[in-house]
Amino acid sequence: SQQGEEDPQALSIQEGENATMNCSYKTSINNLQWYRQNSGRGLVHLILIRSNEREKHSGRLRVTLDTSKKSSSLLITASRAADTASYFCATGGSGGYQKVTFGTGTKLQVIP
Amino acid sequence: DGGITQSPKYLFRKEGQNVTLSCEQNLNHDAMYWYRQDPGQGLRLIYYSQIVNDFQKGDIAEGYSVSREKKESFPLTVTSAQKNPTAFYLCASSEQGVSGYTFGSGTRLTVV
Repeated sequence: SQQGEEDPQALSIQEGENATMNCSYKTSINNLQWYRQNSGRGLVHLILIRSNEREKHSGRLRVTLDTSKKSSSLLITASRAADTASYFCATGGSGGYQKVTFGTGTKLQVIP
Repeated sequence: DGGITQSPKYLFRKEGQNVTLSCEQNLNHDAMYWYRQDPGQGLRLIYYSQIVNDFQKGDIAEGYSVSREKKESFPLTVTSAQKNPTAFYLCASSEQGVSGYTFGSGTRLTVV
């Protein structure tokens, strides 16, 4: 079963604009992760935010987590054509070896 | 460079055949995972292994088998019992504890 649901399913923006993607989940989590997937390729880990954190930054990426609303957002600032990809959130439970559950993804197109 | 290698990149299977997908990692990660991705969908967990000689079923294990005889290797066999095997298969690994996954570049399996 898939825990996370990304919104929107698809997003098209102009280069230089900001892109915001949202993820909602159903059950309590230990951490939430965001991944990028270029077409036909494997996923690349972008950022991990733990349940006791509210915001995290990495370069042009900003992730927020609201555990009371069971939601997270990924903001990509000053987008580039190279950011065109699908973005997935993944929720991790507790335990020594976490098993994460992936959402259905947001397909982002950045138009040069 | 450390990473995960999946082979082959493309694989064609005839009806009734078993095929094995290779996954090798040199990251010294204890945990390894197999996911299936269908077009426009998220990832679904097939099997995972937390330690050598041990593995657990994921959400869609029927028609698949795995082995974990070495820490570096986690091959997936798609058996003839898997009725709809055409998909993109992704292997991943992770460290102990809370961390992101490292993914291979995937194997695209097509039934002909």
